[in-house]
Amino acid sequence: QKEVEQDPGPLSVPEGAIVSLNCTYSNSAFQYFMWYRQYSRKGPELLMYTYSSGNKEDGRFTAQVDKSSKYISLFIRDSQPSDSATYLCAMSAGSNDYKLSFGAGTTVTVRA
Amino acid sequence: DVKVTQSSRYLVKRTGEKVFLECVQDMDHENMFWYRQDPGLGLRLIYFSYDVKMKEKGDIPEGYSVSREKKERFSLILESASTNQTSMYLCASSLGVGRGLNEQFFGPGTRLTVL
Repeated sequence: QKEVEQDPGPLSVPEGAIVSLNCTYSNSAFQYFMWYRQYSRKGPELLMYTYSSGNKEDGRFTAQVDKSSKYISLFIRDSQPSDSATYLCAMSAGSNDYKLSFGAGTTVTVRA
Repeated sequence: DVKVTQSSRYLVKRTGEKVFLECVQDMDHENMFWYRQDPGLGLRLIYFSYDVKMKEKGDIPEGYSVSREKKERFSLILESASTNQTSMYLCASSLGVGRGLNEQFFGPGTRLTVL
């Protein structure tokens, strides 16, 4: 079993819809949770960074962490065609832990 | 604007060849990483360097070695390329510790095909 599970999709939604992405994990030591966005033929870029449980909002993006369920989510409101990308969740056990455990990524297409 | 560059976007090599993948960052970051990305498997860490000439093996170091003679440059070496090393290779860098360690800046990737 992988340490981080992420449904690869693909996910196709109409413009303006809410996109919901999630990851589950097995390592209860994880405390730092990230979402990276990767456009086609580009490297990943950090989108959201959260610590421990709770919500974090940044514009149209909301990240949620539920450590009790070992479940994290990313919501994209009012999705745009420019949001079409692969979204990777990543997590680490500590702020001094260089090892990130990545999900396989979910490919999202927002149709105009 | 932060920048991580990789020497090639696409590379085709023959089985048994020695392959060098170069990565340069212009952000004065201490940490540099090499990952490979395969469908369904996500990113897997090959090697990590936390200082010049200091390195640690990641999850899948077999068949690879690295070199970091200067802070800004991190090279991945395939001593004798094999077909199962066909993959997308991503270089990343990050700053220090704390959030800086986790916030990794990635290059555009090198798609390597070994025939």
